Amino acid sequence: SYELTQPPSVSVSPGQTASITCSGDKLGDKYACWYQRKPGQSPVLVIYQDSKRPSGIPDRFSGSNSGNTATLTISGTQAMDEADYYCQVWDISTVVFGGGTKLTVL
Amino acid sequence: QVQLQQRGAGLLKPSETLSLTCAVYGGSFSGYYWSWIRQPPGKGLEWIGEINHSGSTNFNPSLKSRVTVSVDTSKFQFSLKVTSVTAADTAVYYCARGRSGGFGLDVWGQGTTVTVSS
Repeated sequence: SYELTQPPSVSVSPGQTASITCSGDKLGDKYACWYQRKPGQSPVLVIYQDSKRPSGIPDRFSGSNSGNTATLTISGTQAMDEADYYCQVWDISTVVFGGGTKLTVL
Repeated sequence: QVQLQQRGAGLLKPSETLSLTCAVYGGSFSGYYWSWIRQPPGKGLEWIGEINHSGSTNFNPSLKSRVTVSVDTSKFQFSLKVTSVTAADTAVYYCARGRSGGFGLDVWGQGTTVTVSS
């Protein structure tokens, strides 16, 4: 089965840029999505089709996907961005999530 | 604006059947895949399976033998059943709306905490 690998944790200072990676075999050949999950809340889609933002998602969130790595970038990170982030792809009609990355804003 | 409202039992004993329903309000039922996802305590998101309006399904291979997903288009709702539950099935369960073509799971239910304990 297809696997996606994320770093367990990433730390960033307020106002700086955070980058969260997601690795998988030939990941660039698939569409990647990213979700934000805060404690006690349902996940929220923040990036779809590698780099598009749903309505209402701030433009400090951006995404890219090439080769074996997809990246979620948060520019000018704010305290409210502290959350768990999950990447996701479709593989042979199944939905696959990465293990998640805890973003800490120090 | 589309909303998903979940309902179902939150406390089960081992070997019982988990049963959850997700009602869709305010949007079209066709053209989408309707998914179930869960998150065990301290772990990440795990996709369970999905169904479309015509009843076509896809499942996580690791759960397929115990999972049934059904749809009732007349009531704008879809349901999940997981048989022979164990403590490993303890999790927050979510329903969500998805669309093929990399559009992601863009609308989520509120989540249901399911605990399996004797």
